[in-house]
Amino acid sequence: GQNIDQPTEMTATEGAIVQINCTYQTSGFNGLFWYQQHAGEAPTFLSYNVLDGLEEKGRFSSFLSRSKGYSYLLLKELQMKDSASYLCAVIDSGYALNFGKGTSLLVTP
Amino acid sequence: TAGITQAPTSQILAAGRSMTLRCTQDMRHNAMYWYRQDLGLGLRLIHYSNTAGTTGKGEVPDGYSVSRANTDDFPLTLASAVPSQTSVYFCASSDLAGGHNEQFFGPGTRLTVL
Repeated sequence: GQNIDQPTEMTATEGAIVQINCTYQTSGFNGLFWYQQHAGEAPTFLSYNVLDGLEEKGRFSSFLSRSKGYSYLLLKELQMKDSASYLCAVIDSGYALNFGKGTSLLVTP
Repeated sequence: TAGITQAPTSQILAAGRSMTLRCTQDMRHNAMYWYRQDLGLGLRLIHYSNTAGTTGKGEVPDGYSVSRANTDDFPLTLASAVPSQTSVYFCASSDLAGGHNEQFFGPGTRLTVL
């Protein structure tokens, strides 16, 4: 079966850095995605990791360790608009995404 | 381009009635997916299609059916709706030949079954 865990909620201050962790146990591994979802909207793609290491894209970075079944999403210079849910998803042996339950991030002034 | 569209935006449905949720994409993606999203449970895959003419079951397929007659359309049908099917439904598509299978999501359909 699939098991993807991430914290339910996090709070951080505007301008700060926050790290959202994701651990997974899946029957196979063909890549890990992070999506952002604002309330009432569709998920939108943030990042993709298939090899170990850090992928940086502007204020957002994503890290993967396949041996540890672990990833994190790092958000720097937080802005109020970053308040959203962040979804970790893994592709196992097929093509479909297996999603974690999401982390709701609240950015406060 | 429109990307991926869903209709209706929202719907209230009496239990026992049937309904088809529509999904259309104009990106010529070969793969399409239907998810439901429930509070505390996250996104769960209902059905998928890797190419026109083929479909497969996801994690929660019971009570739902799909068809994929062409590349662009992937309707989801509830034959006899039950209150537990109250949810937000997202359609997504991806290009399986594109490398990492990034999925693009439609705006969602909010369904309430009473």
